[in-house]
Amino acid sequence: ETGVTQTPRHLVMGMTNKKSLKCEQHLGHNAMYWYKQSAKKPLELMFVYNFKEQTENNSVPSRFSPECPNSSHLFLHLHTLQPEDSALYLCASSQVAGELFFGEGSRLTVL
Amino acid sequence: AQRVTQPEKLLSVFKGAPVELKCNYSYSGSPELFWYVQYSRQRLQLLLRHISRESIKGFTADLNKGETSFHLKKPFAQEEDSAMYYCALALSSARQLTFGSGTQLTVLP
Repeated sequence: ETGVTQTPRHLVMGMTNKKSLKCEQHLGHNAMYWYKQSAKKPLELMFVYNFKEQTENNSVPSRFSPECPNSSHLFLHLHTLQPEDSALYLCASSQVAGELFFGEGSRLTVL
Repeated sequence: AQRVTQPEKLLSVFKGAPVELKCNYSYSGSPELFWYVQYSRQRLQLLLRHISRESIKGFTADLNKGETSFHLKKPFAQEEDSAMYYCALALSSARQLTFGSGTQLTVLP
């Protein structure tokens, strides 16, 4: 499989649950990203990893915890989320700055 | 801080008519500008970037530093152009990409 793959595509969780979102890229890119897409809001950059090192953390609450074990995999660990965290979480990768390849997203609902 | 503004949330044009999607940015340095597109039930994808100066699917965009704009244009819209369009700005050589709120383009038959 090529491109950027995100699992699960849909996730429903309670506020006390712990879950993880997974992203995998088969493009040989060296940077990976998490973006949040909420209704009526622009895409918000959450985290950037460049060669497995986190280079951006845009004031994201600690209930979101990223992990990048290698340049092909990116996780977003979720713990004690709030209903306002319900959104579409997009993963992307890039080799050239600004040229992002996106996954289809993980639709998260927090009850 | 950098900011991208797309003033039109919705835009409708008839097939064959010219279309222009507006994008303005605020950044004091030398930005790199991009247009991304999301067709129905497809993932977000890069359409074009200003430094390549290409025409993709008939679309062009010119960076106007005086007006801090990067409007997307096509002389003759097609129904398959209906999609959500996002303007985005990157600081030179930086990984952070700032997106506008998007414009939903509908091309009517």
